[in-house]
This record gives sequence, structure tokens and C-alpha cells, in this order.
Amino acid sequence: GDSVTQTEGPVTVSESESLIINCTYSATSIAYPNLFWYVRYPGEGLQLLLKVITAGQKGSSRGFEATYNKETTSFHLQKASVQESDSAVYYCALGVGGSALGRLHFGAGTQLIVIP
Amino acid sequence: EAAVTQSPRNKVAVTGGKVTLSCNQTNNHNNMYWYRQDTGHGLRLIHYSYGAGSTEKGDIPDGYKASRPSQENFSLILELATPSQTSVYFCASGARGPYEQYFGPGTRLTVL
Repeated sequence: GDSVTQTEGPVTVSESESLIINCTYSATSIAYPNLFWYVRYPGEGLQLLLKVITAGQKGSSRGFEATYNKETTSFHLQKASVQESDSAVYYCALGVGGSALGRLHFGAGTQLIVIP
Repeated sequence: EAAVTQSPRNKVAVTGGKVTLSCNQTNNHNNMYWYRQDTGHGLRLIHYSYGAGSTEKGDIPDGYKASRPSQENFSLILELATPSQTSVYFCASGARGPYEQYFGPGTRLTVL
């Protein structure tokens, strides 16, 4: 089936250090799924952080980057220098479905704690 | 501003009671979704809808019903709430296809 596996949290990083949260996926219902990273700040709903719908492409937002790698079925999230305000829970998601059916499969989420 | 809103934001219910969670979207999206989020499980899909009048079972529909009376509104109904349904519930809307979804702020439900 379709599924997502990501780094188990919590992940603790000092401010200004680099970050990588691993995400790998399995897509059996669709050859080229869409890939997303969502972020959930405390007390808020999920927000779309970035998306990539073409294999081999990179998405970026707010200093975060992720590259859609179909060969390794991965979509790792990276940031060169984290800030305390990046503390949140990050979810990798796989988008599948046809023209009407659309659904997302989420990873378990990775809590990021940035120490000032 | 287009948005997804949920009510109530917090709810305490008793075991065996009926709970209705409401969701409204102004994105004019055809698809709407209900998820629950529990530590270690990410978001799990309960029910979804392709449009007014339609509801479909997601991955964990047992114990839940859904209602989509209009394009804008999608409700999740717990007829007989149980403590195992204590969770945070998120509603989302999305366009047709495997595209991003837009989420509400969540409802924290506690069943005692």
C-alpha cells in the first residue's frame, strides 16, 4: 500500500545548526505521487510548508528544502541553519489519487526542538 | 480570506454521549476530509467527501459517521463516544486530485 516513514522524534538541534528530517515513501497506487511537507506549530493546524509534484525537482520555502528522489523514494527535509521559531512538528505526506479521488498519506510526524 | 474553521475547538464529552464536530470551508473545494491525530500515528483518515451529499469511509471509520449537507460544511458525528476516541481532530479541504489540503485549527476532544 501507500505509506510514509519519517525520522522518529523528537529531534533536538541547537540554533544555527543544520537539520535533516528523513522521509521515505512507498507508492503502489500511483507511479508519480505528489510529495508534501507540512508543519504544525503549537496550538495551530497544519500548514503546507512545501510541495513537489515532479520527480527530480526541489521545493523550498522559509529556508527549508526537499528534493523528490524517485530512485530512492525519498523526500528528505533540510535546512542549513535552524532558528528557535522552527520548533514545531513536521509531517511528510504522499499525495495519491486520480482526477476526483485525492488523498494524502501522512508520516507519523517529527517533533523538532530548537535550543537557543 | 479563504479558510477552514472548526467548532468547537475543545470538547469534553461523557462515555456514551453523542458528539458532533463541525467544519466549514470557504475555499470552494469539492473534497473535504476528517482526520484524527494521535502521538506516534500521524494523521489518520476517518471519513472524506467528494461533494455535497457524499461521504466515504477512510482508513479508520468505525465509531464515526460523517455528513456533508453543503459544499461548505462537513460534520463528524460520534453517536456513542468512547474514551478511545479522545484525540485531536482535524478537518481539511482540497481540490480534486492528489493535491495539497488546507487544514482547520483542530478540535481537542476528551471523552471521560
